[in-house]
Amino acid sequence: KQEVTQIPAALSVPEGENLVLNCSFTDSAIYNLQWFRQDPGKGLTSLLLIQSSQREQTSGRLNASLDKSSGRSTLYIAASQPGDSATYLCAANTGANSKLTFGKGITLSVRP
Amino acid sequence: DGGITQSPKYLFRKEGQNVTLSCEQNLNHDAMYWYRQDPGQGLRLIYYSQIVNDFQKGDIAEGYSVSREKKESFPLTVTSAQKNPTAFYLCASTYGGYGYTFGSGTRLTVV
Repeated sequence: KQEVTQIPAALSVPEGENLVLNCSFTDSAIYNLQWFRQDPGKGLTSLLLIQSSQREQTSGRLNASLDKSSGRSTLYIAASQPGDSATYLCAANTGANSKLTFGKGITLSVRP
Repeated sequence: DGGITQSPKYLFRKEGQNVTLSCEQNLNHDAMYWYRQDPGQGLRLIYYSQIVNDFQKGDIAEGYSVSREKKESFPLTVTSAQKNPTAFYLCASTYGGYGYTFGSGTRLTVV
């Protein structure tokens, strides 16, 4: 059974700092891995999707990497801003139209 | 714009009452999912459907029921058998597992 872990549960950084959010998974036979952002009381917004054959994906100040052999993915946020404050969740997908397994998320606070 | 619409945004349930949460998508996605989110618990899968007229139980299906009569719609009924239904409910869909799209959620509260 796939298990996804995100540590720490919360993180507070000053504005402008580059930061890395970690995600680990137990079953390396994943189809893809997706990073989401969730603002309080809102749904999930997709940030980046990495297919199993890819090593990384980039969108603006965000870069996500995937290392299946070690069971890890990282989300890199460059030059953090207060507007980046949210909960970030990673989710592993084991197959086409299969179910996602989520980590519990990392709540990020970027201080002005 | 294509997306997933969940309604209502807020829902209140009395003890012993069944309530139905709506989820509609216009993305032409085959698979649809219902997740429940509780503080500190993360997202847990309730039910999912990969094709019309077929669905499977997730990790916490007890006290819930679903139907999938149309490709676009996947309503979730929270029955009186669900003893702790207060939570945030999220609907999602995907085509071939290439990225999942989520709705904006329904917050259900027992009164």
